[in-house]
Amino acid sequence: EVQLLESGGGLVQPGGSLRLSCAASGFTFSNYAMNWVRQAPGKGLEWVSAVSGSGGSPFYADSVKGRFTISRDNSKNTVYLQMNSLRAEDTAVYYCARVSERAANLIIVATDFDYWGQGTLVTVSS
Amino acid sequence: DIQMTQSPSSLSASVGDRVTITCQASQDIRNYLNWYQQKPGKAPKLLIYDASNLETGVPSRFSGSGSGTDFTFTISSLQPEDIATYYCQQCDNLPLTFGGGTKVEIK
Repeated sequence: EVQLLESGGGLVQPGGSLRLSCAASGFTFSNYAMNWVRQAPGKGLEWVSAVSGSGGSPFYADSVKGRFTISRDNSKNTVYLQMNSLRAEDTAVYYCARVSERAANLIIVATDFDYWGQGTLVTVSS
Repeated sequence: DIQMTQSPSSLSASVGDRVTITCQASQDIRNYLNWYQQKPGKAPKLLIYDASNLETGVPSRFSGSGSGTDFTFTISSLQPEDIATYYCQQCDNLPLTFGGGTKVEIK
């Protein structure tokens, strides 16, 4: 059974840093690109970042470029999101999501997402 | 960036009704359009991929159509468990973008 489990969320002051983790199980992790998608309270979905199965080719939304870094450790089946210089507008539930089975072993890093984690809440406030 | 305009933002319908949601892209996205269902406090769930393909295990009352810039999502017979917010998402180009969502309620 495919499972994605996020951790690392919490309350942080503006300008602070946080690292989110997403531990994966139930599939060959290195074969799949992984993404982060966030949802501000009461708002819609916003794509944040993607990384290929090998860990190369990171991509970012303009809203986080230069502040967030996506990475992965295929030996630990885990994808990370390092978030620096956090702002109030970064407050959201952060989901990790796997590209669909159809995109396995392909160079496509972001397509439809067939599995999502349960989300972890990041609150940026003083 | 490709803008996704979804309508309506909310709707109320009776059990058994046919429900239709539209999604318009700001440029041609071919058929790279997906639909998700999100229930309160839960992660989104993929329902339709590549505009018209039903994800495995999803009930056949859900369907999608369209290509280019105009897309439609339909629930053929609304059920109580379909109460949720539905989002379209384009994956033709990065950054991936989502529609604003349609909240579906029971009348």
